[in-house]
Amino acid sequence: KQEVTQIPAALSVPEGENLVLNCSFTDSAIYNLQWFRQDPGKGLTSLLLIQSSQREQTSGRLNASLDKSSGRSTLYIAASQPGDSATYLCAVRPQDTGRRALTFGSGTRLQVQP
Amino acid sequence: DAGVTQSPTHLIKTRGQQVTLRCSPKSGHDTVSWYQQALGQGPQFIFQYYEEEERQRGNFPDRFSGHQFPNYSSELNVNALLLGDSALYLCASRQGLRRAGELFFGEGSRLTVL
Repeated sequence: KQEVTQIPAALSVPEGENLVLNCSFTDSAIYNLQWFRQDPGKGLTSLLLIQSSQREQTSGRLNASLDKSSGRSTLYIAASQPGDSATYLCAVRPQDTGRRALTFGSGTRLQVQP
Repeated sequence: DAGVTQSPTHLIKTRGQQVTLRCSPKSGHDTVSWYQQALGQGPQFIFQYYEEEERQRGNFPDRFSGHQFPNYSSELNVNALLLGDSALYLCASRQGLRRAGELFFGEGSRLTVL
């Protein structure tokens, strides 16, 4: 059974810092990995999608990397801003085409202090 | 281009009652999934619909049922509500059952069971 762990569970940083959020998964047979952002009480906003054959994806100040063999992904946020405050979730999609549901981690709650 | 829309946004029920939640997928999407997110946790997969059939189901009891209509919209029904069913229910859509594209989420329906 796939398990996804996100460390740290919570993080507070001053504005302007670069930071790294970690995601690990136990079964490396994944199809892709997706990072999401969730504001309090809201739905999920997709940030980056990395296919299993890719090593990284970039969007603006965000960069996500994937090391499938070691079961790890990181989300790098450059020059953090108060508006980045949210919970960040990673989710993996299994390689097995008969089982397509995403497995989520519990998220990292980020607070960026102005 | 409308994204994934869900209704109602909030609702309160009492134990034993039944509830129906609705979802319209993003334009061009034909595959709909439902997730349950308890407070402080990552979303948990309930089931997925494609071509009006349930294609995959997570570890949820039969009290949870669903339906997909010819226009790809979907409903989630929960019978005999329990206090533990209180959660944010998220609908997600993508194009095609086997494609590797992003999963897009709605804002969710917040269910409180008293």
